[in-house]
Amino acid sequence: SQELEQSPQSLIVQEGKNLTINCTSSKTLYGLYWYKQKYGEGLIFLMMLQKGGEEKSHEKITAKLDEKKQQSSLHITASQPSHAGIYLCGADSTGANSKLTFGKGITLSVRP
Amino acid sequence: DVKVTQSSRYLVKRTGEKVFLECVQDMDHENMFWYRQDPGLGLRLIYFSYDVKMKEKGDIPEGYSVSREKKERFSLILESASTNQTSMYLCASSPGLVVRGTQYFGPGTRLLVL
Repeated sequence: SQELEQSPQSLIVQEGKNLTINCTSSKTLYGLYWYKQKYGEGLIFLMMLQKGGEEKSHEKITAKLDEKKQQSSLHITASQPSHAGIYLCGADSTGANSKLTFGKGITLSVRP
Repeated sequence: DVKVTQSSRYLVKRTGEKVFLECVQDMDHENMFWYRQDPGLGLRLIYFSYDVKMKEKGDIPEGYSVSREKKERFSLILESASTNQTSMYLCASSPGLVVRGTQYFGPGTRLLVL
């Protein structure tokens, strides 16, 4: 079955610093989704990657999918307190439907 | 904007009670999902539905049932609530199989079973 490992488990950074978090799959990814969650709330969709080598950006967040389509990274430039939360990756490894498997999430704290 | 709403943000129930969690989406999505989220275990799929009156078991369906009588509404039912069902419940919807679609989530229902 599909397994997603996210690293690091948690991260504390100083405001203004850059950071990168990762999501690694045990199988080839047909679709990789990044979500953000504030504590006690629902998941907010950030970005979706499908093609090997693909890179997408939104504001100060950039997500990449490697050529082999088994690892994705999410990079935040000049972090702000508003970036704090839990980042989850979700993956479709079957290519057949919309059912996703999720990683356990990475908790990001940004110190002012 | 896609909107997924859940009937309650917080719910407190007693062991043995029948519990209904409602989810409504306004984007005419074919797919709807119910997850539970627990510390250290992440998001786990309970049930999902690809169409009205259709349902499929996810990874942890035991102790739960679902109902989808209308396209926009997907209900999760705890037939006899137990303390180990205390959790955060998240509903999601996505477009149909033809276009693999992003799942959009509701705000969640935090359920406490005493």
